Amino acid sequence: EAQVTQNPRYLITVTGKKLTVTCSQNMNHEYMSWYRQDPGLGLRQIYYSMNVEVTDKGDVPEGYKVSRKEKRNFPLILESPSPNQTSLYFCASSTGQGLDEQYFGPGTRLTVT
Amino acid sequence: GQNIDQPTEMTATEGAIVQINCTYQTSGFNGLFWYQQHAGEAPTFLSYNVLDGLEEKGRFSSFLSRSKGYSYLLLKELQMKDSASYLCAVQEVTDKLIFGTGTRLQVFP
Repeated sequence: EAQVTQNPRYLITVTGKKLTVTCSQNMNHEYMSWYRQDPGLGLRQIYYSMNVEVTDKGDVPEGYKVSRKEKRNFPLILESPSPNQTSLYFCASSTGQGLDEQYFGPGTRLTVT
Repeated sequence: GQNIDQPTEMTATEGAIVQINCTYQTSGFNGLFWYQQHAGEAPTFLSYNVLDGLEEKGRFSSFLSRSKGYSYLLLKELQMKDSASYLCAVQEVTDKLIFGTGTRLQVFP
């Protein structure tokens, strides 16, 4: 089954404790992206990747890191989480060949206290 | 700059027709997408428009006017399960999707 998976689905952590949210897709997609979704603000792009070893900042990259060492994986790293990073996070992927739907993972609800 | 506007909330009755509007101003345009998102779940793709006009997919249709920076999603024969948020998104030439804040639709019996 074609899918995007994320782990963990739920996470409660404390300020400053490094964490990684994993994202994996099995569709051989070149384009991958991370979004955060907050009430009243909609989905905002954090980082995206056009292909292996190619990553770029989205609209709200501060406080986040990503890497793309393999085509299927695109982890999101929070080196020192802060309460304003409490949000619902989605990973998405697409072929990157122009007009093509993005497939979203199930989401990770992160709470930073 | 980039700006996508859509109404925050709408209500409708089961069996009715509802139109959700979206206006946009972006620096680049490749196409316009509509996604559906049920509460607490991931967005799922509904439709996209590249050229002006109406695209029909079953009970859902989407319209685009590029010269006016305007799109709408038309939902016919509404069902209770259509209660969800509907996200308008513009795709730039880099494949980047810029999302509106979404329209929460409530369908009542």
